[in-house]
Amino acid sequence: GQNIDQPTEMTATEGAIVQINCTYQTSGFNGLFWYQQHAGEAPTFLSYNVLDGLEEKGRFSSFLSRSKGYSYLLLKELQMKDSASYLCAVMDSNYQLIWGAGTKLIIKP
Amino acid sequence: IAGITQAPTSQILAAGRRMTLRCTQDMRHNAMYWYRQDLGLGLRLIHYSNTAGTTGKGEVPDGYSVSRANTDDFPLTLASAVPSQTSVYFCASSASSGANVLTFGAGSRLTVL
Repeated sequence: GQNIDQPTEMTATEGAIVQINCTYQTSGFNGLFWYQQHAGEAPTFLSYNVLDGLEEKGRFSSFLSRSKGYSYLLLKELQMKDSASYLCAVMDSNYQLIWGAGTKLIIKP
Repeated sequence: IAGITQAPTSQILAAGRRMTLRCTQDMRHNAMYWYRQDLGLGLRLIHYSNTAGTTGKGEVPDGYSVSRANTDDFPLTLASAVPSQTSVYFCASSASSGANVLTFGAGSRLTVL
């Protein structure tokens, strides 16, 4: 079956750096997405990786290794507003999105 | 403001009742989707539509139906609600099917008693 694994919850300190990992096993691969979801709100798009390597976008970066079925989202200079759930999703060979359960990130002062 | 509008925001419903969740987008996106989100689980696709006039079944379609009469509207109907359909429902859209970014509505929280 298809599977996306990410930690359930992580805690980090304001101003620090945190890395949220995502591993996947899917039928084919057409890209990996990261979304941010604040409590009680809709998910919003953060990043998309289809080729191996690091994509940097301000304080957020996303890395992909297709051979290892692995991605991470790196958040730098953490701010309290970064407290949210981070959802990893992989698009399979049929262009269907497979979603992880999300990682709840708690930022402490 | 361009985006997706869902209604109602929240609803408590008796089991066995019929319910329609409304979804309207003004971005002229071709593809639209309905997901449910439950604690501890990833978003699960209920139904989708790649273009107006066509619909398809997702991962968990049983008990739900959709229609896509035009580009903008994509209502989700629960013909006879059951408690296991208690969830948060998100409508989403993308410019086309395939590797496109999804824009989500604010969600509809449904409780079936």
